[in-house]
Amino acid sequence: DAKTTQPPSMDCAEGRAANLPCNHSTISGNEYVYWYRQIHSQGPQYIIHGLKNNETNEMASLIITEDRKSSTLILPHATLRDTAVYYCIGAFGNEKLTFGTGTRLTIIP
Amino acid sequence: SAVISQKPSRDICQRGTSLTIQCQVDSQVTMMFWYRQQPGQSLTLIATANQGSEATYESGFVIDKFPISRPNLTFSTLTVSNMSPEDSSIYLCSVGASVDEQFFGPGTRLTVL
Repeated sequence: DAKTTQPPSMDCAEGRAANLPCNHSTISGNEYVYWYRQIHSQGPQYIIHGLKNNETNEMASLIITEDRKSSTLILPHATLRDTAVYYCIGAFGNEKLTFGTGTRLTIIP
Repeated sequence: SAVISQKPSRDICQRGTSLTIQCQVDSQVTMMFWYRQQPGQSLTLIATANQGSEATYESGFVIDKFPISRPNLTFSTLTVSNMSPEDSSIYLCSVGASVDEQFFGPGTRLTVL
């Protein structure tokens, strides 16, 4: 699995877009970029994943740079319920996930 | 999607004893995994639970300490053996119900005194 690097913490005002960066310069050509989050006292929750193209679903958007060395997860209108630890993970499809330390996102009222 | 339940949700155990954690899924799944999350830390993969064969353990984890069973495609158990306070963690199972995502159980919070 590709090693990823994320800032340890970020704050975002409620209602604003939260942009969470992730560096994955060693990712291989067929490794996906997955994003999960873990709300306090719960198991991790899948958010989104992508390979080369930008992706969007009902939860978030994923922007992957053309060289695939970094990506950004965008929560378009952050709410207090989005306060969580966000994990960026490089993996080959649906196999074991290697969690890093993630980014602790705090949404400020 | 997949709904995962774990039993027990939490337990307090004495040093030297063993605890078996159950993971039940509401549908048949191919991939099942066990993770550990130590206090204030990220998740660490313990092993992949293989149906009908021995589990595949990650570096630093051994079968004698964490025996795993996977009798069918909806159920798995993880036993934490000969526990010490260092085993105090949250233990989570996850399943790969699709090629896109894994679903995680709510976790079992274990405290070893």
